[in-house]
Amino acid sequence: ILNVEQSPQSLHVQEGDSTNFTCSFPSSNFYALHWYRWETAKSPEALFVMTLNGDEKKKGRISATLNTKEGYSYLYIKGSQPEDSATYLCAFTSGTYKYIFGTGTRLKVLA
Amino acid sequence: DAGVTQSPTHLIKTRGQHVTLRCSPISGHKSVSWYQQVLGQGPQFIFQYYEKEERGRGNFPDRFSARQFPNYSSELNVNALLLGDSALYLCASSTTPGTGDGNIQYFGAGTRLSVL
Repeated sequence: ILNVEQSPQSLHVQEGDSTNFTCSFPSSNFYALHWYRWETAKSPEALFVMTLNGDEKKKGRISATLNTKEGYSYLYIKGSQPEDSATYLCAFTSGTYKYIFGTGTRLKVLA
Repeated sequence: DAGVTQSPTHLIKTRGQHVTLRCSPISGHKSVSWYQQVLGQGPQFIFQYYEKEERGRGNFPDRFSARQFPNYSSELNVNALLLGDSALYLCASSTTPGTGDGNIQYFGAGTRLSVL
């Protein structure tokens, strides 16, 4: 059974703090890793698709890195703002139709 | 352009009943996937349809079925509802069924199903 784990489960940070969280996935049969941002009562929104070992991607204050050999990806948020409050989900694929999601990291940024 | 739309947004059913959930993909998207999200867990894959054919199925019982129409909209049907079917059901569309770079899934806001 393929398992994707995210940590921490939740965290609270102060506005302006930088933060990061982890997605762990099987290192074998890796094809792609997707990151999503999911605000309450809205649709999950795609942030990044990462496919190559050593990939680094950036969108504004959010960036992500990928290590396929050891099976983890980090998501970083620099200078957190209240609007960054959301659940951040990662999803692993091995090249088939199926995405395997982690349980998410719930981020709350306090003003 | 409209995003992925799902209907209804909320639904209350009783055990043993049947339910149909609907999804309209983004215009031009031919692939639709369905997910179940139970509180405290990540979305679990149920089905993927592409060009009106089932391309994949997750570990769900035969009570769950789906179909895709010529306009690429989709329905998810659940028969003989159980309390454990209470969840948020998400639909996602993409241009193709691939999962790699350049093939992003766009999600709807989901249908919240409560089974009493």
